[in-house]
Amino acid sequence: DIVMTQSPDSLAVSLGERATINCKSSQSVLYSSNNKNSLAWYQQKPGQPPKLLIYWASTRESGVPDRFSGSGSGTDFTLTISSLQAEDVAVYYCQQYYTTPQTFGQGTRLEIK
Amino acid sequence: EVQLVQSGAEVKKPGESLKISCKGSGYSFTSYWIGWVRQMPGKGLEWMGIIYPSDSDTRYSPSFQGQVTISADKSITTAYLQWSSLKASDTAMYYCARRGRGPGGYYYGMDVWGQGTTVTVSS
Repeated sequence: DIVMTQSPDSLAVSLGERATINCKSSQSVLYSSNNKNSLAWYQQKPGQPPKLLIYWASTRESGVPDRFSGSGSGTDFTLTISSLQAEDVAVYYCQQYYTTPQTFGQGTRLEIK
Repeated sequence: EVQLVQSGAEVKKPGESLKISCKGSGYSFTSYWIGWVRQMPGKGLEWMGIIYPSDSDTRYSPSFQGQVTISADKSITTAYLQWSSLKASDTAMYYCARRGRGPGGYYYGMDVWGQGTTVTVSS
């Protein structure tokens, strides 16, 4: 199985400041057929199902605010929230869909400082 | 509107069987993979497996292989997750989710999620 490791486990950021979450895969998730990285980011708020934010490592899902961005390649990826808003308090997960099982990271809890 | 609607909460005893459902609507059900994800109380997301309803091609996580069965009935656009003998450790929220697909036909992450089904197993 590909192991996905997120850092940090939790993060507190002031409103309006930048939040950065990292995700590392135990092997490359670069899909050779389209030369894109098979990496997604999700946001989960309490009592709600996860919501897809980013796929192919950097493609924003429709309707997701542009303060959310994804970057990285190969085995190292980053989710950045450029200016934290109160509604961004949530747990964030990365997931590789390069191969089955399509494993998730352990999650990063984001709070307001 | 594209949506997945899951069956309601279940309370079961250890050793009982259970089948929960996930009904898709608003899209071509047979053209998208449907996956199941477990979330134990206060814990993270665990990928269990996926099914392609068109031909019932199914892939399981080794962690769940033999523990659950994933199936689909394309005639009623519904996917299922079932247990033959529940354990207390199966207590969790279970989500179904659709794998997204882009214009080029490549599947990516899970873009549509059901609301979740809570399963409680207790004697």
